[in-house]
Amino acid sequence: ETGVTQSPTHLIKTRGQQVTLRCSSQSGHNTVSWYQQALGQGPQFIFQYYREEENGRGNFPPRFSGLQFPNYSSELNVNALELDDSALYLCAIGMGGRSYNEQFFGPGTRLTVL
Amino acid sequence: QKEVEQDPGPLSVPEGAIVSLNCTYSNSAFQYFMWYRQYSRKGPELLMYTYSSGNKEDGRFTAQVDKSSKYISLFIRDSQPSDSATYLCAMGGGRDDKIIFGKGTRLHILP
Repeated sequence: ETGVTQSPTHLIKTRGQQVTLRCSSQSGHNTVSWYQQALGQGPQFIFQYYREEENGRGNFPPRFSGLQFPNYSSELNVNALELDDSALYLCAIGMGGRSYNEQFFGPGTRLTVL
Repeated sequence: QKEVEQDPGPLSVPEGAIVSLNCTYSNSAFQYFMWYRQYSRKGPELLMYTYSSGNKEDGRFTAQVDKSSKYISLFIRDSQPSDSATYLCAMGGGRDDKIIFGKGTRLHILP
């Protein structure tokens, strides 16, 4: 049981604001990836952290940033929010720093930008 | 050409039928192939994980990978209303080590 949790479950922000999303698990998996899933689309890879270092990044601007902590929990920060940032944000945990190793997703945080 | 193509559906089939879900891809470097199930307003749940070509069976689910055709399939036998969900194919192992997802196929199993 990986027990991936994400907080908050929902939030509403206005354009230009900043947001921090959180991800944690009880399983000790040392790799966390973040994805953005727009309505009707598959998840898109934002970045991955392995042992507290960024370990790969998708086609997202620098205003998307992250952290991984020693206990392997993670944060996703988005600055200067835009309307198109409205989406479900998913974290996925894995092992070994390779994105194609098996990943287990959390329930997601639904962000609405007005 | 998109790296991964998946028909978004919706696909409606009667309960008990065999369901066939498919994806095609363009990157011949992909070696790892996955199927996820996603219920409404939930995160994706890993169903099947296969490496390279071949078949893999797990209960009512069978995953097939044909690397020569760049085509992967998921078969669901004896489909149940609880199988109604969006099914996402995903693949990785390419040069940039990213996982690429399809758009997902919405499946409805009719009681």
